[in-house]
Amino acid sequence: GDSVTQKEGLVTLTEGLPVMLNCTYQTIYSNAFLFWYVHYLNESPRLLLKSSTDNKRTEHQGFHATLHKSSSSFHLQKSSAQLSDSALYYCALSDRYSNNRIFFGDGTQLVVKP
Amino acid sequence: EAAVTQSPRNKVAVTGGKVTLSCNQTNNHNNMYWYRQDTGHGLRLIHYSYGAGSTEKGDIPDGYKASRPSQENFSLILELATPSQTSVYFCASGDPGQTNSDYTFGSGTRLLVI
Repeated sequence: GDSVTQKEGLVTLTEGLPVMLNCTYQTIYSNAFLFWYVHYLNESPRLLLKSSTDNKRTEHQGFHATLHKSSSSFHLQKSSAQLSDSALYYCALSDRYSNNRIFFGDGTQLVVKP
Repeated sequence: EAAVTQSPRNKVAVTGGKVTLSCNQTNNHNNMYWYRQDTGHGLRLIHYSYGAGSTEKGDIPDGYKASRPSQENFSLILELATPSQTSVYFCASGDPGQTNSDYTFGSGTRLLVI
C-alpha cells in the first residue's frame, strides 16, 4: 500500500539558515498527490502546499517543494529559516484509489533557534 | 466559512468510563476522519467514514468505535477508556479521491484518562 517516509524526527537549526525536510514515498499509482502540512503548537494541522505534477516547483509562504516521481521524493525547502517556522511538518500522500484517505508520514519537528 | 468543529476541547475521563468526542463539518465533504496524535507517532488514523451511516476501521481502531449519523457529524466513542488512550484527537473532513483535494482539520480534543 501507499506509505510516506520522513526520516528526520527532529531538525534543529539556526535562524537564517536554509531548511530542507526530507520526504520520500511509495505508491503503485502514477497519479499520486503529495502534500506538506504544518502543525503549529495548539493549532490545527493545515495545508502548506501540494502537488501532483512531476518536476514542477510549488511554492507557498516562502516554502517550496518539487515532486520528483523518478526518485519518489517531495522534499520541503526554504532559503532562510525564521523563528516562526518552528512547528511539526507532515508529508502526506493520496491517490484516488486509496479509499479516499491521505497517508501521513510520522512528521518532522522543526526547531529554529536564534 | 467552511470549518470542522470539535467538542470538547479538553476532557478528563476516568479509566473504564465512556467518552464521546464529537465533530461537525460544514464543508459538505463526504469523508470524515478521526486521528490521534502522539509524540513520535505523528497522526494515526483510527476510524473514517465515506458518508452518513458508514464507518470504516483505520490503522489503529482497537478500543474505539465511530458513528456517522449525518453528513455533518462524526463521533468517536471510547466505551471503556484506558490511560493508553490519553492523547490529542483530531477530526478532519475531505474528499482526497477528487482531484487535488486535501483535508480540513478541527482544532483537536485533548483527552486525559486517569
